[in-house]
Amino acid sequence: AQTVTQSQPEMSVQEAETVTLSCTYDTSENNYYLFWYKQPPSRQMILVIRQEAYKQQNATENRFSVNFQKAAKSFSLKISDSQLGDTAMYFCAFMNLGGSEKLVFGKGTKLTVNP
Amino acid sequence: AAGVIQSPRHLIKEKRETATLKCYPIPRHDTVYWYQQGPGQDPQFLISFYEKMQSDKGSIPDRFSAQQFSDYHSELNMSSLELGDSALYFCASSTGTGNEKLFFGSGTQLSVL
Repeated sequence: AQTVTQSQPEMSVQEAETVTLSCTYDTSENNYYLFWYKQPPSRQMILVIRQEAYKQQNATENRFSVNFQKAAKSFSLKISDSQLGDTAMYFCAFMNLGGSEKLVFGKGTKLTVNP
Repeated sequence: AAGVIQSPRHLIKEKRETATLKCYPIPRHDTVYWYQQGPGQDPQFLISFYEKMQSDKGSIPDRFSAQQFSDYHSELNMSSLELGDSALYFCASSTGTGNEKLFFGSGTQLSVL
């Protein structure tokens, strides 16, 4: 079974600064995807970014980028130029391909962006 | 663009009652997933369906059942409700073709009193 670990229950950052959220995972599979989801106070689950395990290049979506280290099974999220609207719970998630493609989530990191 | 529709948005029930949650996937999505998110918890996978057949099962209590209908909408039936069933229940859909993108609904907040 796959497990996802987020070691930072809470983090805070000043507006316009950069913050990195950590995520590690454990799997014996070789073909999988990794995701970061954002859950604001509205509790809507919003996809931030995804990474295909077979790609060495790190995914980037505007101010959001990841540092994917496959050998170390590490998948951190970097948020640049933090904005107040980035305040949310962030979940790291794993999807094994070839099965039902369900998501396995970490416990989440609560990020607060301070003005 | 059409999104995943869940109804109702909020539901209040008494202990031992029954609840039915509905999920309408994005058009042409044939795969549906159900997740349960307790207060302050991460979402936990309950069950999934592909082409109206159960494709995977997670930590779903025996008191819960679900199905996917011919129009691909899905219903989660919960009986003998317990206080611990109070949670946000998410439905997500995908095309099931391995495009690896799940689209989430806004969830149904179930409160058991």
